[in-house]
Amino acid sequence: AQSVTQPDIHITVSEGASLELRCNYSYGATPYLFWYVQSPGQGLQLLLKYFSGDTLVQGIKGFEAEFKRSQSSFNLRKPSVHWSDAAEYFCAVVRISGGYNKLIFGAGTRLAVHP
Amino acid sequence: KAGVTQTPRYLIKTRGQQVTLSCSPISGHRSVSWYQQTPGQGLQFLFEYFSETQRNKGNFPGRFSGRQFSNSRSEMNVSTLELGDSALYLCASSKGLAGSDTQYFGPGTRLTVL
Repeated sequence: AQSVTQPDIHITVSEGASLELRCNYSYGATPYLFWYVQSPGQGLQLLLKYFSGDTLVQGIKGFEAEFKRSQSSFNLRKPSVHWSDAAEYFCAVVRISGGYNKLIFGAGTRLAVHP
Repeated sequence: KAGVTQTPRYLIKTRGQQVTLSCSPISGHRSVSWYQQTPGQGLQFLFEYFSETQRNKGNFPGRFSGRQFSNSRSEMNVSTLELGDSALYLCASSKGLAGSDTQYFGPGTRLTVL
């Protein structure tokens, strides 16, 4: 079955440092992939998405992600983290089930930013 | 363009009661999906409605139901509430079916069952 794994539950970085959040998926075909961010008590905001084409995807707030089919990965990166980036980040993949598609989320990675 | 709105934002109910949550999608979006978010289970898909028809359903008991109106607004109902139903309920809308289009999320309704 299609699934999404985010290996890191918590990550702490210093402000200004680079960031990489890992996401691995299991899927037999080219997946639709997403990264969402959730601030405490809020809904999910779309950071970026990959459907097809260029494997390096640019998103909002200076984030980017790279789709690597050989590694079944879609890692999220940011060259310089700001304190306001502290939040929970979710990777998601579209899963086909019973002829219908639905969004399957990873468990999330909580990012803390030290000043 | 206004985003997805959900009402109410917070709810406190007692076991055995029922509750109705509302979601207004982005204008022009025809698909509304519902998700339950808990610390233990994470984000889980409840169901999707498209053009007033339920198109997809997750693994939740029949106590969880929903509907969609002709203006694409959606409601979710939970009957005979249990303590384990305490969660953040998120609604998401998309122009096309959820699996083939980008979903935009509302702020959620925080349900507490006492």
